[in-house]
Amino acid sequence: SQQGEEDPQALSIQEGENATMNCSYKTSINNLQWYRQNSGRGLVHLILIRSNEREKHSGRLRVTLDTSKKSSSLLITASRAADTASYFCATDEGSNDYKLSFGAGTTVTVRA
Amino acid sequence: NAGVMQNPRHLVRRRGQEARLRCSPMKGHSHVYWYRQLPEEGLKFMVYLQKENIIDESGMPKERFSAEFPKEGPSILRIQQVVRGDSAAYFCASSPGVLHSGNTIYFGEGSWLTVV
Repeated sequence: SQQGEEDPQALSIQEGENATMNCSYKTSINNLQWYRQNSGRGLVHLILIRSNEREKHSGRLRVTLDTSKKSSSLLITASRAADTASYFCATDEGSNDYKLSFGAGTTVTVRA
Repeated sequence: NAGVMQNPRHLVRRRGQEARLRCSPMKGHSHVYWYRQLPEEGLKFMVYLQKENIIDESGMPKERFSAEFPKEGPSILRIQQVVRGDSAAYFCASSPGVLHSGNTIYFGEGSWLTVV
């Protein structure tokens, strides 16, 4: 079964606006990661947040993690057309930390 | 340092044929993972291999699918007697060591299999 589930399924915003997407998961995790996938391409690793961290920044990306709610959010600030992609969260399954569980993703479209 | 290399990028097979997907991990990486992505879905774990060993194949269908990572050469994901439902993107990933040591997993560009 899917561990991570993203919300919303799709998001359309104007260039310059912020994009926020959420991820919920079911069981305890070691780490949560966010990936980007452009259409027809592989996954690009964006950011990893450990279970003992609450917030992490990388450039225009901000990730939060709330282990009590088993949820994470990814915020992309000042979006650009090049941010158009699908975004996935992935969690590892406790002792089997090599086995990442992905949600179905959030498809983000940034309109110029 | 080249990334994870997968080939072919696109493969078309008729039902009943065999598909072989190859993956060369990043230099220095001895851990390889295969994931499958069905249309409009996230990636699903298939198998985890280290050199000459299958560590976890719990995500592999019981029949027709096999994977290997020989001492020399790339990792191979083999699908025998393909069916339409095998049409998907197959992603390989690699890491230098076990993930709980803080290593990051790196994905290749994927192999898109279409079964006609």
